[in-house]
Amino acid sequence: DTGVSQDPRHKITKRGQNVTFRCDPISEHNRLYWYRQTLGQGPEFLTYFQNEAQLEKSRLLSDRFSAERPKGSFSTLEIQRTEQGDSAMYLCASSSNTRGGSNQPQHFGDGTRLSIL
Amino acid sequence: QQQVKQSPQSLIVQKGGIPIINCAYENTAFDYFPWYQQFPGKGPALLIAIRPDVSEKKEGRFTISFNKSAKQFSLHIMDSQPGDSATYFCAASITFGNEKLTFGTGTRLTIIP
Repeated sequence: DTGVSQDPRHKITKRGQNVTFRCDPISEHNRLYWYRQTLGQGPEFLTYFQNEAQLEKSRLLSDRFSAERPKGSFSTLEIQRTEQGDSAMYLCASSSNTRGGSNQPQHFGDGTRLSIL
Repeated sequence: QQQVKQSPQSLIVQKGGIPIINCAYENTAFDYFPWYQQFPGKGPALLIAIRPDVSEKKEGRFTISFNKSAKQFSLHIMDSQPGDSATYFCAASITFGNEKLTFGTGTRLTIIP
């Protein structure tokens, strides 16, 4: 399967702990996006990468959140000192966009569901 | 600020009927409007997308109607089947930028046999 892969699928942790999620995009996709989806809502944009460069971060992304894409391939999203409000599905998407843009489709993974106890 | 408003929140249609889901947007800079389908425990999957230079686009049983002046667009599902039962999201983005998607709040569609 060559789709977007996310790991783990589920994460349960106690409030105050740190968690890290991983996303493996479709190979050769140069853009990678992170979204957060809470129950009964649509996904909300968190941040995106063009290759290894993080080019935009949403105001939703507090300083407890950090994302990396060190070699322009897989990405990690870390949440430090988790709070109950962090409970959500964290979705990763990738697309192949050349310079100048063309709005190629974003392909989503199946997400990591985070539950904070 | 909710930039993409979606209705209805839920919809029940008999098999073979034509469910219609509506979305309205505020930002006139949006120029790409995809629809995604999401099953429980899965990520959103792209169904069909439209740009504002056309008023209608069909792909299989799925049709998008687009009204640029009203800033509205809708999804129609022809000959609906129980397997179409899922949550549907409209979205919008701006080309030549980061192309991040702004999603509606979703419509939970149930097709009854």
